Amino acid sequence: GESVGLHLPTLSVQEGDNSIINCAYSNSASDYFIWYKQESGKGPQFIIDIRSNMDKRQGQRVTVLLNKTVKHLSLQIAATQPGDSAVYFCAEKTRYDDYKLSFGAGTTVTVRA
Amino acid sequence: EAQVTQNPRYLITVTGKKLTVTCSQNMNHEYMSWYRQDPGLGLRQIYYSMNVEVTDKGDVPEGYKVSRKEKRNFPLILESPSPNQTSLYFCASSLKGQGAPGELFFGEGSRLTVL
Repeated sequence: GESVGLHLPTLSVQEGDNSIINCAYSNSASDYFIWYKQESGKGPQFIIDIRSNMDKRQGQRVTVLLNKTVKHLSLQIAATQPGDSAVYFCAEKTRYDDYKLSFGAGTTVTVRA
Repeated sequence: EAQVTQNPRYLITVTGKKLTVTCSQNMNHEYMSWYRQDPGLGLRQIYYSMNVEVTDKGDVPEGYKVSRKEKRNFPLILESPSPNQTSLYFCASSLKGQGAPGELFFGEGSRLTVL
């Protein structure tokens, strides 16, 4: 069936190191992907997005990589900071429906001082 | 300040007692949506609205109702709450759909407990 999933539910990272959060999807019709960050007690916040016609997109300290061949998406955070501790969700939509986003279960990132 | 406001933020109620969770956005967004968040399941869409008087079911609509009489408001109604509706609820809005371009802005969440 169609699903969006994350490889690992938790990730512990040393402050200053780079973080890599992975996400797999199964629907070949997926054409748009988003990463959200959710801090404790708050709603999800948009981090970065990528369309399926791209392989890579960079933001401030973040990079999203899309590998359509293996249906894999990753979020890389450079020089991880304590403020990066949060739950990270990937989400995707298909080209058939602009109104439906499917979210993964989330990866909890903990930054060690 | 651009924001999505939900009320109440916390609510404990009993089975069968009707309740409404309000959602309001001040960004003139056309699209609004409700999600529930449960451990290990991520965010699941309940209902969404493309514009005033236009609503549709998401993945888990059973037990919920919505209305969109005004552009800024999108209340979630639980006519007869049951314990399996105990969850964290999020309202979100965007300018146009969920696809690009259409960044979703989320509210702070409403934690509902049904006893």
